[in-house]
Amino acid sequence: DTAVSQTPKYLVTQMGNDKSIKCEQNLGHDTMYWYKQDSKKFLKIMFSYNNKELIINETVPNRFSPKSPDKAHLNLHINSLELGDSAVYFCASSQTGADEQFFGPGTRLTVL
Amino acid sequence: RKEVEQDPGPFNVPEGATVAFNCTYSNSASQSFFWYRQDCRKEPKLLMSVYSSGNEDGRFTAQLNRASQYISLLIRDSKLSDSATYLCVVNQYYKYIFGTGTRLKVLA
Repeated sequence: DTAVSQTPKYLVTQMGNDKSIKCEQNLGHDTMYWYKQDSKKFLKIMFSYNNKELIINETVPNRFSPKSPDKAHLNLHINSLELGDSAVYFCASSQTGADEQFFGPGTRLTVL
Repeated sequence: RKEVEQDPGPFNVPEGATVAFNCTYSNSASQSFFWYRQDCRKEPKLLMSVYSSGNEDGRFTAQLNRASQYISLLIRDSKLSDSATYLCVVNQYYKYIFGTGTRLKVLA
């Protein structure tokens, strides 16, 4: 039974397109996150949400728009994709904003 | 200066060896601390939380020194399956800052 799931696992698209990544957690956690892991393997937080409310936006371009329809879901929509957006995007959840996090399997985005 | 610093390695050690990783962080207001491991092309997985009193989980021991802003991880009796990247993580209330990771390769 998957705790944090993401779809799709792979996404290959052209520059300028718009794409979405979905994330769901069945752990009953209140807090969810999006991370970006670039080609140098550095994992950087993008957004933190608590009970559907945005808590942290780490200076992410506004082409990235997260949406949390309920506390079990946090989706990421990306407009006008650029080459530099190519990365692995991980969703995560935790019970509070200071507890251990559990990660989804990642979405590997390639922008051509 | 990076907020969380780790030696990137790689650390190549024989099976059965003891290996130690260190991590320093810059923000003294940091609240909670963790070690994660990440295998190639996989998601990070929690190894253990880190407490000031030190904590142990089997072959793994983690230590936190708040005064020196320093976190350590000790792995005893290394196994081939311990080969991975070990990530030091520092939490500042809803914001988790990951170190760049230390690569460990355990050799047969």
